[in-house]
Amino acid sequence: ETGVTQSPTHLIKTRGQQVTLRCSSQSGHNTVSWYQQALGQGPQFIFQYYREEENGRGNFPPRFSGLQFPNYSSELNVNALELDDSALYLCASSLQGAPYNEQFFGPGTRLTVL
Amino acid sequence: AQSVTQLGSHVSVSEGALVLLRCNYSSSVPPYLFWYVQYPNQGLQLLLKYTSAATLVKGINGFEAEFKKSETSFHLTKPSAHMSDAAEYFCAVSDISGYSTLTFGKGTMLLVSP
Repeated sequence: ETGVTQSPTHLIKTRGQQVTLRCSSQSGHNTVSWYQQALGQGPQFIFQYYREEENGRGNFPPRFSGLQFPNYSSELNVNALELDDSALYLCASSLQGAPYNEQFFGPGTRLTVL
Repeated sequence: AQSVTQLGSHVSVSEGALVLLRCNYSSSVPPYLFWYVQYPNQGLQLLLKYTSAATLVKGINGFEAEFKKSETSFHLTKPSAHMSDAAEYFCAVSDISGYSTLTFGKGTMLLVSP
């Protein structure tokens, strides 16, 4: 069974640029959630994708957008990067309707915005 | 709306001592509760989860947590700390309705001294 993978591991961008982060879900899972973890904070929910559509969104502006593909992998896109976007971005996969809403996390992508 | 409060951003114990990490939650519906551990530069690993089957939950690496509805608490304990337990610990809540997103606390860094 393959776990959740994310790419790239680290990324450095400058303010105003755009970035795309990628996530491959665990085998058998059909739902992907994205979280932002700022330094010294707990992860915060950005949005969730199920059946290639956004299935819920946290308190993040529209410049945070995403995609889910037929193979259930997902992308997180951030436009017009700001310094405060520097964080660890975590992807979690799950199976919609599975018991306990259990999510399985990837290792994360560390984004630094200069 | 759900929320999680973790008391103490840092907890220091000696090797072999009792570990107690505190978590209080707020939820308008019966919750699912989780403890995750995060080692430096890594993603989140599930330690244990409360799913209403039993109030005392045993997890991996000797950790356990007790759900107390009257106190809205889900504190994490381990009888004897090991150096390898040094990491950041996050308490999270998910409700049993709607989509499966997690609301995290701010985390508690566990420091273990020899």
